[in-house]
Amino acid sequence: QQKVQQSPESLTVSEGAMASLNCTFSDGTSNNFRWYRQHSAKGLEVLVSIFSDGEKEEGRFTAHLNRANLHVSLHIREPQPSDSAVYLCAVSMTNSAGNKLTFGIGTRVLVRP
Amino acid sequence: DPKIIQKPKYLVAVTGSEKILICEQYLGHNAMYWYRQSAKKPLEFMFSYSYQKLMDNQTASSRFQPQSSKKNHLDLQITALKPDDSATYFCASSQDSLGGTGQLYFGEGSKLTVL
Repeated sequence: QQKVQQSPESLTVSEGAMASLNCTFSDGTSNNFRWYRQHSAKGLEVLVSIFSDGEKEEGRFTAHLNRANLHVSLHIREPQPSDSAVYLCAVSMTNSAGNKLTFGIGTRVLVRP
Repeated sequence: DPKIIQKPKYLVAVTGSEKILICEQYLGHNAMYWYRQSAKKPLEFMFSYSYQKLMDNQTASSRFQPQSSKKNHLDLQITALKPDDSATYFCASSQDSLGGTGQLYFGEGSKLTVL
């Protein structure tokens, strides 16, 4: 069964400094990786999706995938206080029926002005 | 404006009672899902539906029953409620049900507390 672990559990960064979040997964056949953001008492906002090794940028958010190392990361460039939220990593198999995502427990990010 | 509407946003129930969580999506999607987020646990897949038919069920208990009266509706009926059912339930949708490169969009959740 797929296990998804995120680190660190929480992260405090200053406005403008780079924030880096990590996610490891256990099933090496996974090929569908997504990062979501969850503001308190709100739904999930998709940030970036990545499906092959390398880098994918969406605005200030960049995902790096290394499937051999079972690792996907998210980097937030020039974070702002409004980026303070819980960041969730989700992993699945492309073309798996049911579109079932396995989530990590999240990294809580606080951006200080 | 939110495109996936979940009702109610908050609800409190007593042990043993029954509740229905409502979900409607206005994205024109063909697939809908329920996920659950319990305290200090990851978001967990429960059900997926495609064209109003069940695709996958990862919920062990038959107390959880999805109901799809229309293509853009997927309600969740929970019977014989237990305190362990306390969680935020998220409805989601996607264009189709295969785990392709299409996006999965989530509603804002219904937070259920069972006393």
